[in-house]
Amino acid sequence: SQQGEEDPQALSIQEGENATMNCSYKTSINNLQWYRQNSGRGLVHLILIRSNEREKHSGRLRVTLDTSKKSSSLLITASRAADTASYFCATDAGGATNKLIFGTGTLLAVQP
Amino acid sequence: GAGVSQSPSNKVTEKGKDVELRCDPISGHTALYWYRQSLGQGLEFLIYFQGNSAPDKSGLPSDRFSAERTGGSVSTLTIQRTQQEDSAVYLCASSLTGLLGTQYFGPGTRLTVL
Repeated sequence: SQQGEEDPQALSIQEGENATMNCSYKTSINNLQWYRQNSGRGLVHLILIRSNEREKHSGRLRVTLDTSKKSSSLLITASRAADTASYFCATDAGGATNKLIFGTGTLLAVQP
Repeated sequence: GAGVSQSPSNKVTEKGKDVELRCDPISGHTALYWYRQSLGQGLEFLIYFQGNSAPDKSGLPSDRFSAERTGGSVSTLTIQRTQQEDSAVYLCASSLTGLLGTQYFGPGTRLTVL
């Protein structure tokens, strides 16, 4: 399977703390994206980082990418209860279709 | 603006019946994708449309699955003779061009096959 892996599988923190999730993938990529999913339904796009970028910020989110290690991390700072969700990394498969290959996901619980 | 919409939001069917799932992409998006999310398999790609053509059907799990897209807009995913293992959330996504762009997902259709 080409599916990437994320760790931890589950993470529980207190409101205000930072949360870090890691993603590893298997093939070379053009870009890597992070998505959030609430209640097992639609995926919300958070951030996209291209293969020639090493770090990107968006609000309370910070993403890093290490293509030599085929890994990425998502940092959520000053977490809120509303951040409780599953977080997935997704890599494009390259080629002409840009289909996404998803990681296994991290379930984040932020306790108020 | 309007996002990707899918219907129905939930579908319960009996084994052996056919089902149709609908996706309305964001207006103007030429690329459309179907994914499936199930407990055992995670999120997996099914099919990709560019306009009305499907250059990548590699994720369709069997010949019971088919999809079409008309007018470069609405897409329908059809599952014939449903099986219990088809139970999953079916997600549709669209992208402006399909070239290294962000994919925007709909809320999904939860399919339960009894």
